[in-house]
Amino acid sequence: SQQGEEDPQALSIQEGENATMNCSYKTSINNLQWYRQNSGRGLVHLILIRSNEREKHSGRLRVTLDTSKKSSSLLITASRAADTASYFCALGGSNYKLTFGKGTLLTVNP
Amino acid sequence: DVKVTQSSRYLVKRTGEKVFLECVQDMDHENMFWYRQDPGLGLRLIYFSYDVKMKEKGDIPEGYSVSREKKERFSLILESASTNQTSMYLCASSFGRGYEQYFGPGTRLTVT
Repeated sequence: SQQGEEDPQALSIQEGENATMNCSYKTSINNLQWYRQNSGRGLVHLILIRSNEREKHSGRLRVTLDTSKKSSSLLITASRAADTASYFCALGGSNYKLTFGKGTLLTVNP
Repeated sequence: DVKVTQSSRYLVKRTGEKVFLECVQDMDHENMFWYRQDPGLGLRLIYFSYDVKMKEKGDIPEGYSVSREKKERFSLILESASTNQTSMYLCASSFGRGYEQYFGPGTRLTVT
């Protein structure tokens, strides 16, 4: 099954800066989701964007989806040390399954 | 808030043992999932269930089986544990097709 590819694999920034992560994929999707995982723990859902949507916001998070380019981006504004985590995109197709990418490791330095 | 719980955070088993990993969700979700997560490989779907007593294989079902006798509970079974099944196991649930998934805290299984 297809897998999203996050870019970059790792990102290190200072507190207060913005962080941008990208996800590219190859086939059609019904929705694309972003999740966060703190070290050694379960995943937490952040945002779901459907294929007919172009942009969604949630607090300091902004997600865009460009289905013509088969890509999505996650922007975290005014980052905090607590945002340090791995971020995954997950592709939702026509069935029940989600296919997860390998993630971007974000480190926010205080 | 949705709560997904897993029976153990850490588990150590010996090769050949039968291992049960339990997952319980409290939001009446239809769908439940079992993943394993390994460094460099990301999350891979083992099995999922879209209704009680219904199950479907995911991407890597070999060496695993599942049981869903009640809507809130989804069990992953390793019939004869092997060292290559050492991994982090994550359970998740969702309301239905096309919805977000809610994850448990994970079980780190070590097979020696």
